Amino acid sequence: KNEVEQSPQNLTAQEGEFITINCSYSVGISALHWLQQHPGGGIVSLFMLSSGKKKHGRLIATINIQEKHSSLHITASHPRDSAVYICAVRSGCGGANSKLTFGKGITLSVRP
Amino acid sequence: DTAVSQTPKYLVTQMGNDKSIKCEQNLGHDTMYWYKQDSKKFLKIMFSYNNKELIINETVPNRFSPKSPDKAHLNLHINSLELGDSAVYFCASTITGGELFFGEGSRLTVL
Repeated sequence: KNEVEQSPQNLTAQEGEFITINCSYSVGISALHWLQQHPGGGIVSLFMLSSGKKKHGRLIATINIQEKHSSLHITASHPRDSAVYICAVRSGCGGANSKLTFGKGITLSVRP
Repeated sequence: DTAVSQTPKYLVTQMGNDKSIKCEQNLGHDTMYWYKQDSKKFLKIMFSYNNKELIINETVPNRFSPKSPDKAHLNLHINSLELGDSAVYFCASTITGGELFFGEGSRLTVL
């Protein structure tokens, strides 16, 4: 069993819909990262969070440390949001020898 | 100016050859990483360096040898390439424990 589980595996939405992507993990962490990868493209860091909630534009990320769960919300979704969304957790104390463990990613398609 | 740059972006080579991928960051970060992304898009850590010192070596075959000549550079040399080495290799950098900045990836195809 992967230490980081993401759901759903694939997601199709209509433009304008509110989208939620979930991430659960099983280890103690110092931080959780949400990453975005467009088809054939590089990887961009969307959020790094260790508690609470962060917002950037139409994207909102939340984390519940007690429940070992994080969600990424996209409001007013747009076809350009179509990408793979990857959750990654940093184990340990976050020092130089801590490592990221990645989920398998969720492929989101937003139809116009 | 690209923050984390990798070269080459594409590399096609024959089995048994030796190849290198270079990575440079101009962000002043102290930690750099190599990640491998397989055909199923799953990312996995290979190596991390902190201030030129190897910190993480994630049971990667010793055909893979990273080298960090200074804090801004982390290169990856691969000897005796095998079919299973075909993947996209991503370099990334961070301030220790901070947000990650990725390069655009280097797609290696071994024939």
